[in-house]
Amino acid sequence: AQSVSQHNHHVILSEAASLELGCNYSYGGTVNLFWYVQYPGQHLQLLLKYFSGDPLVKGIKGFEAEFIKSKFSFNLRKPSVQWSDTAEYFCAVNPNTGGFKTIFGAGTRLFVKA
Amino acid sequence: GAVVSQHPSRVICKSGTSVKIECRSLDFQATTMFWYRQFPKQSLMLMATSNEGSKATYEQGVEKDKFLINHASLTLSTLTVTSAHPEDSSFYICSARDFSLNSPLHFGNGTRLTVT
Repeated sequence: AQSVSQHNHHVILSEAASLELGCNYSYGGTVNLFWYVQYPGQHLQLLLKYFSGDPLVKGIKGFEAEFIKSKFSFNLRKPSVQWSDTAEYFCAVNPNTGGFKTIFGAGTRLFVKA
Repeated sequence: GAVVSQHPSRVICKSGTSVKIECRSLDFQATTMFWYRQFPKQSLMLMATSNEGSKATYEQGVEKDKFLINHASLTLSTLTVTSAHPEDSSFYICSARDFSLNSPLHFGNGTRLTVT
């Protein structure tokens, strides 16, 4: 079965620290990849997405993610986190099979200490 | 940008009653909407895919007679939790995408259902 794994369920960082959240998926075909963020008390919103082309994708608020096809990975990175980045981050995969089902990872709760 | 409106944001109901949750796409047409359930400390769990004008597709283990889905127009899908029980208490989230397969999902704000 298709699945998405996020390796860290909880991450605590100090401001200005670098962030990398891991995401691996199990699907051999072409995929569309997403990172969504849910800030406290708010709804899920898109952070960045990859469909094709340059595997290094830049999103909003200084986030970027790199698609490594050989590793089935789509890790999220930010060079220097801020307190306002405290949120829950979800990796999502949409197998490009013509269907619309999107599979989510379990989420990573990030807490940034001021 | 695209907005999905979900209503109500919170609802408390008594065991045995039914609750309807609405999901509307405000500035785009959504041929497909999705309903998720989010358990504490767990991932979003896809419950069903709602297709405009046809029957919803339910994920394995989701009771279609308990979670009734209606997608009567290109901008509205409803989820009705029938004969609710305390174990149905959860956070329900809808999402929608427009016609393009490559478009991202847009999420509603979610509905916190508490069954007493």
